[in-house]
Amino acid sequence: AQKITQTQPGMFVQEKEAVTLDCTYDTSDQSYGLFWYKQPSSGEMIFLIYQGSYDEQNATEGRYSLNFQKARKSANLVISASQLGDSAMYFCAMRDTGTYKYIFGTGTRLKVLA
Amino acid sequence: DVKVTQSSRYLVKRTGEKVFLECVQDMDHENMFWYRQDPGLGLRLIYFSYDVKMKEKGDIPEGYSVSREKKERFSLILESASTNQTSMYLCASSPVRRTLHFGNGTRLTVT
Repeated sequence: AQKITQTQPGMFVQEKEAVTLDCTYDTSDQSYGLFWYKQPSSGEMIFLIYQGSYDEQNATEGRYSLNFQKARKSANLVISASQLGDSAMYFCAMRDTGTYKYIFGTGTRLKVLA
Repeated sequence: DVKVTQSSRYLVKRTGEKVFLECVQDMDHENMFWYRQDPGLGLRLIYFSYDVKMKEKGDIPEGYSVSREKKERFSLILESASTNQTSMYLCASSPVRRTLHFGNGTRLTVT
């Protein structure tokens, strides 16, 4: 069965520093998609970044980058130059290409310190 | 911008009541989803729909049913609400094989 694992329930980072949020996945599919979402305290889910399993380059979106290591089945999110507004819950997710399902991890709560 | 609207932000219901959670999207997306979010458990898929009148069970469908009579609307139904269904419910939609777009969530409390 497909699975997403986020092993860091909570993390702290100093403002302006970089932080890496871990995500590992398990799938037997060759074709899949990996996503990261941010959920601030307001509750909305905000899409951050996407990586396709066949993409050769790591995805980047502004201060967000996805460190994709296919052989290790990891898709870590890197946030550079952390800001106070980055304090939120972060979810890693995978799209099952066989069905239409999207599977989520348990999340990492990030707190940025001033 | 895609808009996914959930009818209620907060809802309080009594045990045994029939509860309807409504979700509407305005981008003609084929796929729609209902998740529940609980602390420490992340988002768990209840049901999803890939077309009008089509539905598939997710990982935790027990105690829930859904309805999709029109493409833009996907309803989650709690046939007889129980206290263990107190949770945050998130609706999402997407075109085929694309990013999920979420509503703002409905925090349901069953007393």
